[in-house]
Amino acid sequence: AQSVSQHNHHVILSEAASLELGCNYSYGGTVNLFWYVQYPGQHLQLLLKYFSGDPLVKGIKGFEAEFIKSKFSFNLRKPSVQWSDTAEYFCAVVESGYSTLTFGKGTMLLVSP
Amino acid sequence: SQTIHQWPATLVQPVGSPLSLECTVEGTSNPNLYWYRQAAGRGLQLLFYSVGIGQISSEVPQNLSASRPQDRQFILSSKKLLLSDSGFYLCAWRQGASPLHFGNGTRLTVT
Repeated sequence: AQSVSQHNHHVILSEAASLELGCNYSYGGTVNLFWYVQYPGQHLQLLLKYFSGDPLVKGIKGFEAEFIKSKFSFNLRKPSVQWSDTAEYFCAVVESGYSTLTFGKGTMLLVSP
Repeated sequence: SQTIHQWPATLVQPVGSPLSLECTVEGTSNPNLYWYRQAAGRGLQLLFYSVGIGQISSEVPQNLSASRPQDRQFILSSKKLLLSDSGFYLCAWRQGASPLHFGNGTRLTVT
């Protein structure tokens, strides 16, 4: 069965610090990869996705993620975080052609002003 | 454009009472529909998904059930709630290889 690991459950950063959230998955075949974000009091929304092509994908609000197939990783990055980035971030994986996404346990990011 | 509606937003129910959470999607046809439960520190747990009317797949055996009486309607139910059913429930839809789109969620408290 697929599994998704997010290594950090809680991350605390100061504004303008750089961010990298780790995500590793277990499936060895072709996958589609996603990062979702949930701001306080809001619903889950898509941050970015990877289906194929350039392994470096750019999402909303200055976020990007790099798919490294050899490492089964899809880490999320942002060069300079803002207080408004405080949220919970979820990595998700689905095998190509399958219906169900598998989510990581989430990483709560707190950015202090 | 497609929209997803989930209600109610919050619900407080006594132990042993029934449950019915409803989710509807607009602007698309024959979507895949999903019920997730979100718990702090545990991420999103897939409970049920449906690829068509009357087709329900259960991922986790428990006190809950799901039904899809219409193409764009997905219902999460229980005959008798347990304390452990408290949580945050999310409905989502997806079509083909598109990302999941989530509803706003229902905070269920069983007392």
